[in-house]
Amino acid sequence: DIQMTQSPSSLSASVGDRVTITCRASQGISNYLAWYQQKPGKVPRLLIYAAFILQSGVPSRFSGSGSGTDFTFTISRLQPEDAATYYCQKYNSAPITFGQGTRLEIK
Amino acid sequence: QVQLVESGGGVVQPGRSLRLSCAASGFTFSNSVMHWVRQAPGKGLEWVAVISYDGTNKYYADSVKGRFTISRDNSKNTLFLEMNSLRAEDTAVYHCTKDGYSYGVFDNWGQGTLVTVSS
Repeated sequence: DIQMTQSPSSLSASVGDRVTITCRASQGISNYLAWYQQKPGKVPRLLIYAAFILQSGVPSRFSGSGSGTDFTFTISRLQPEDAATYYCQKYNSAPITFGQGTRLEIK
Repeated sequence: QVQLVESGGGVVQPGRSLRLSCAASGFTFSNSVMHWVRQAPGKGLEWVAVISYDGTNKYYADSVKGRFTISRDNSKNTLFLEMNSLRAEDTAVYHCTKDGYSYGVFDNWGQGTLVTVSS
């Protein structure tokens, strides 16, 4: 099975900062990579799919890139409401697997 | 709009069984691939199982294979998860989800139902 490894597991940044999270697949997954945001007590929210396509309604400060085994998720100008845990997910075939999550704290 | 409403969770002893349901509305359920995803308290997301639109194809995470069974009733727009031989590590909120843009891309989630396995 393909494993997804996210880094860092947590980070702290200030409003206006540029934040980057990486996700590595143990085997190539082309661009079958999604990113989700989860706030405490809420269900996950789909932000990006196909590695870089922004889900409808998601602010443009969120972006994704990568293909194969290495992927990047970026928030260009951090906002207070971006405090959350972010997950990558590979979805090309079963079993679907998620990264372990990155907890983002606002300083 | 899409609505997914899970039910059936509760407290159950190790080794016992539980059946979860997910009532779907706002989309053509019989054309949709459906999944269960769970989240243990304070932990990350774990995909559990998937079922094809007509129920003929099913896949499971290794952690539940042989113990859990996913099924659906397209006449009632309902998804099920039969959980047997429950273990403490099955304690989690169980969400049903549907495929969105592509297989395994989840743009709609139910609020989930909490399953607690404890003696």
